[in-house]
Amino acid sequence: EPEVTQTPSHQVTQMGQEVILRCVPISNHLYFYWYRQILGQKVEFLVSFYNNEISEKSEIFDDQFSVERPDGSNFTLKIRSTKLEDSAMYFCASSEARGGEQFFGPGTRLTVL
Amino acid sequence: AQKVTQAQTEISVVEKEDVTLDCVYETRDTTYYLFWYKQPPSGELVFLIRRNSFDEQNEISGRYSWNFQKSTSSFNFTITASQVVDSAVYFCALSLSGYSTLTFGKGTMLLVSP
Repeated sequence: EPEVTQTPSHQVTQMGQEVILRCVPISNHLYFYWYRQILGQKVEFLVSFYNNEISEKSEIFDDQFSVERPDGSNFTLKIRSTKLEDSAMYFCASSEARGGEQFFGPGTRLTVL
Repeated sequence: AQKVTQAQTEISVVEKEDVTLDCVYETRDTTYYLFWYKQPPSGELVFLIRRNSFDEQNEISGRYSWNFQKSTSSFNFTITASQVVDSAVYFCALSLSGYSTLTFGKGTMLLVSP
């Protein structure tokens, strides 16, 4: 069964460093998303991406964040200068259509020290 | 703005009991989609169901059933004859037609003990 994959599973970084989280969405899906979940809290939407551009973004997704689809399979989230409060689980998701079922990857746990 | 409320923070049951997880949503849109996701202790988010706002038929899938009532803006989830493997955090979520953002509730942690 096709699934969304994410690497790495856990990333530890120093405050101020740049990180890139990687995702491979399900191959025939057209919509891609990033969400985050601070430990013990609810899942929060960051950004959606379609047709090589951002279609929606939340207030959390400020200038420190960017997304890219560098090739036909990968979808990345970059945080330029990490802050302590960026520590969270980051989930990538994909769907065939807008409003369709979003299938989530296993997540990347980001720890900012 | 839309909102999803899961008032039950944590529920504990004994195996084989039935349990209902509540979800109440708020939106002014007439077309929207409702979802349930399961997050087991391993942390991944597992899709369970998607419902559109025009389909109020209840759905049953094995031990799982969902009761969608537009009149009360609720989309409740019942697990029949619960099992230890059902222990997880369950999230209800909402998206609006024309948008892809999922708005999640805070989740309900279900603990099923043997």
